[in-house]
Amino acid sequence: AQSVTQLGSHVSVSEGALVLLRCNYSSSVPPYLFWYVQYPNQGLQLLLKYTSAATLVKGINGFEAEFKKSETSFHLTKPSAHMSDAAEYFCAVSDRVGNNRKLIWGLGTSLAVNP
Amino acid sequence: NAGVTQTPKFQVLKTGQSMTLQCAQDMNHEYMSWYRQDPGMGLRLIHYSVGAGITDQGEVPNGYNVSRSTTEDFPLRLLSAAPSQTSVYFCASSRTGEGQFFGPGTRLTVL
Repeated sequence: AQSVTQLGSHVSVSEGALVLLRCNYSSSVPPYLFWYVQYPNQGLQLLLKYTSAATLVKGINGFEAEFKKSETSFHLTKPSAHMSDAAEYFCAVSDRVGNNRKLIWGLGTSLAVNP
Repeated sequence: NAGVTQTPKFQVLKTGQSMTLQCAQDMNHEYMSWYRQDPGMGLRLIHYSVGAGITDQGEVPNGYNVSRSTTEDFPLRLLSAAPSQTSVYFCASSRTGEGQFFGPGTRLTVL
């Protein structure tokens, strides 16, 4: 069965510092992997996705993530945090088989950015 | 494109009442789903659909019904509301192989 673990339910960084949000997955088949962001009182927005092309995936707002099969990880990074990055971030995994596009979600990581 | 729209944005129900949460998308996506989001529990899948006329249960389907008569619409029905159904509900849609697009959510309170 697939699963997603996001290490750290709360992460706090200073403005301008590196952002690193961790995501580990388990999947019996090559996965699709996603990062989403949720701003307060809003729906989720896709940041980036991995679908077996390049292992380093670039997304919106300066975020990127690297798929590491050997480590079953898909950590999200941004070189320099901005105050506007404060939000909840979710990692998700989906299998590729058939029409079933169910996503398995991590519990989320709340990112705080301090001035 | 309007994307994924949800109505209403807010709703207060009394225990035992029924209601329908509306979801529509204008992107011709075959896959649609309903989630509930509760503090500390992430997103939990209620029901999903891989195309018009096809629906299936997610991990927390009890107390909810869905139907998919058209590609665009995927309403969620609460049959007899309970306080445990107080939550934020999100509808999402996607094309095969792509990430899901989410609606803005419906905040439901059941008294």
